[in-house]
Amino acid sequence: DSGVTQTPKHLITATGQRVTLRCSPRSGDLSVYWYQQSLDQGLQFLIQYYNGEERAKGNILERFSAQQFPDLHSELNLSSLELGDSALYFCASSGSERMNTEAFFGQGTRLTVV
Amino acid sequence: GQQVMQIPQYQHVQEGEDFTTYCNSSTTLSNIQWYKQRPGGHPVFLIQLVKSGEVKKQKRLTFQFGEAKKNSSLHITATQTTDVGTYFCAKSGGSNYKLTFGKGTLLTVNP
Repeated sequence: DSGVTQTPKHLITATGQRVTLRCSPRSGDLSVYWYQQSLDQGLQFLIQYYNGEERAKGNILERFSAQQFPDLHSELNLSSLELGDSALYFCASSGSERMNTEAFFGQGTRLTVV
Repeated sequence: GQQVMQIPQYQHVQEGEDFTTYCNSSTTLSNIQWYKQRPGGHPVFLIQLVKSGEVKKQKRLTFQFGEAKKNSSLHITATQTTDVGTYFCAKSGGSNYKLTFGKGTLLTVNP
């Protein structure tokens, strides 16, 4: 158990819909990272938050947004969903701001867009 | 963006054979991390290498960081069925806030 909790584990939704994925980091970790994993693209970095503030952005679509709340949990919002958004979405947490210590990954949310 | 390239993409071995995966970067790395993802699982941290020429061992796993800090390798001696999974290298640190993963090497082991 990594200590990072992601909900829900599975999500099936229709195209055009909006979903929210939730992540609770390990106790004490201030950094939260979101990754998208698909078969053809591997693990793609989406966005990082540190202590409530956005720190880095990857190839995150404009239809996607995220935030980190005062209690440090984070939510990834995906809107106007397309079939190609079907993937595993991982949240990871770390004690450092610059990702120079190990990252702890949650179990992931498998999103299926139909 | 700056990538880390991993080879091979797939490797199938007989149990007891050795296995090596390589990670290469066109730029000097601040550090390199290695993760393992079991089928249906999530990435799990294995190790971080920071120093030029560093070699670290974990039981049957040997990790190396190149002298120029542009490449790294993971070698598994005498593979077991429990070694099955995808091994990722990832670059991090320096002025880079994010952890950038290679595409991974999928290892399958025939018992």
